[in-house]
Amino acid sequence: GNSVTQMEGPVTLSEEAFLTINCTYTATGYPSLFWYVQYPGEGLQLLLKATKADDKGSNKGFEATYRKETTSFHLEKGSVQVSDSAVYFCALNSGGGADGLTFGKGTHLIIQP
Amino acid sequence: GAGVSQSPSNKVTEKGKDVELRCDPISGHTALYWYRQSLGQGLEFLIYFQGNSAPDKSGLPSDRFSAERTGGSVSTLTIQRTQQEDSAVYLCASSSGRPSREQYFGPGTRLTVT
Repeated sequence: GNSVTQMEGPVTLSEEAFLTINCTYTATGYPSLFWYVQYPGEGLQLLLKATKADDKGSNKGFEATYRKETTSFHLEKGSVQVSDSAVYFCALNSGGGADGLTFGKGTHLIIQP
Repeated sequence: GAGVSQSPSNKVTEKGKDVELRCDPISGHTALYWYRQSLGQGLEFLIYFQGNSAPDKSGLPSDRFSAERTGGSVSTLTIQRTQQEDSAVYLCASSSGRPSREQYFGPGTRLTVT
């Protein structure tokens, strides 16, 4: 079956530091890959996505590249801000149509001023 | 435009009671999903609807859980004879379906079973 593994936190960084959150996956077929973010007290929001190998998703300064050879989709940001503090979830789906997402356990990111 | 809405936002119920959770998807979205978020299990996919049909119900945790969708819009998730382990946040999401597969989530219903 499908699975997603991501580094568990909390990850604590200083403002303006470089961020990497690792995500690897196991899936049948050719999955679409996603990063979702959950800010404190808010719902899940789609951060970025990639639907095929070598695609790069980007949004709000965050980037992730779909690497089929290493089955990875690591999230990066060059300079984090306090407002980036949140829980980040890596996810995939691989059905032929609309189907459920398989999520990683989430990484709690804390950015200190 | 309006996003996915869920009601109630919070529900406290006694063990053994039945509860109904409601989801209003984004207008025009044909696919609708239910998930459960709990500390121990993370985010679990429960069931999805394409239109009014749920092709696969195997993700539902037990036969106490059921879901329906009518008119291709509103969905209800019903939990019968609630147990304490049912306490969680129940999330609904909707999607326009292929090809984007992006799912947009509602704020969730926090269920507490006492």
